[in-house]
Amino acid sequence: EPEVTQTPSHQVTQMGQEVILRCVPISNHLYFYWYRQILGQKVEFLVSFYNNEISEKSEIFDDQFSVERPDGSNFTLKIRSTKLEDSAMYFCASSDREWANTEAFFGQGTRLTVV
Amino acid sequence: AQTVTQSQPEMSVQEAETVTLSCTYDTSESNYYLFWYKQPPSRQMILVIRQEAYKQQNATENRFSVNFQKAAKSFSLKISDSQLGDTAMYFCAFTRNSGGYQKVTFGIGTKLQVIP
Repeated sequence: EPEVTQTPSHQVTQMGQEVILRCVPISNHLYFYWYRQILGQKVEFLVSFYNNEISEKSEIFDDQFSVERPDGSNFTLKIRSTKLEDSAMYFCASSDREWANTEAFFGQGTRLTVV
Repeated sequence: AQTVTQSQPEMSVQEAETVTLSCTYDTSESNYYLFWYKQPPSRQMILVIRQEAYKQQNATENRFSVNFQKAAKSFSLKISDSQLGDTAMYFCAFTRNSGGYQKVTFGIGTKLQVIP
């Protein structure tokens, strides 16, 4: 069964360092998303991506964040200068149509720890 | 802005029994979707059930059913004949149904433990 895969499963980084979280969505999907969950808090929407551009982003997704689909298969989330409060579980998801009209599939997540 | 509230941080149920997880939401939208997602330990989040707001009939998927009360903005999940594999974190979620809108708002989750 096709699935969304995320690497690494756990990343530890020093505050101020750049980090790239990687996701391989399901191959025929067109919509891609990043969510995050700070420990003990809600899963929060970060950004959605369609047709090689950001279709929507939240207020969390500031200039420190960027997304890219560099080679038609990977979908990456970059945090330029990590802060302690960026420590969270980051989930990638993909869907073949808009979320409301289909089933979106999630990856297992990358746990980011900023020290 | 939309909010989704799950007031039960943890619940437990005996195997084969029925359990209901609560969810309330707040929105000014009239056209939207509601979802329940399940996240087993160390596994991906998966969709359990989806409800379209304009449909009065409650959605069902095998042992999973919802009680959708639009006026009360309530969307509870009933799990019948609970199985050990139902042990997971359950998230209630909301999204608007308007062209191009992608943001999904999640609740904080309810941790369900099925006891043998």
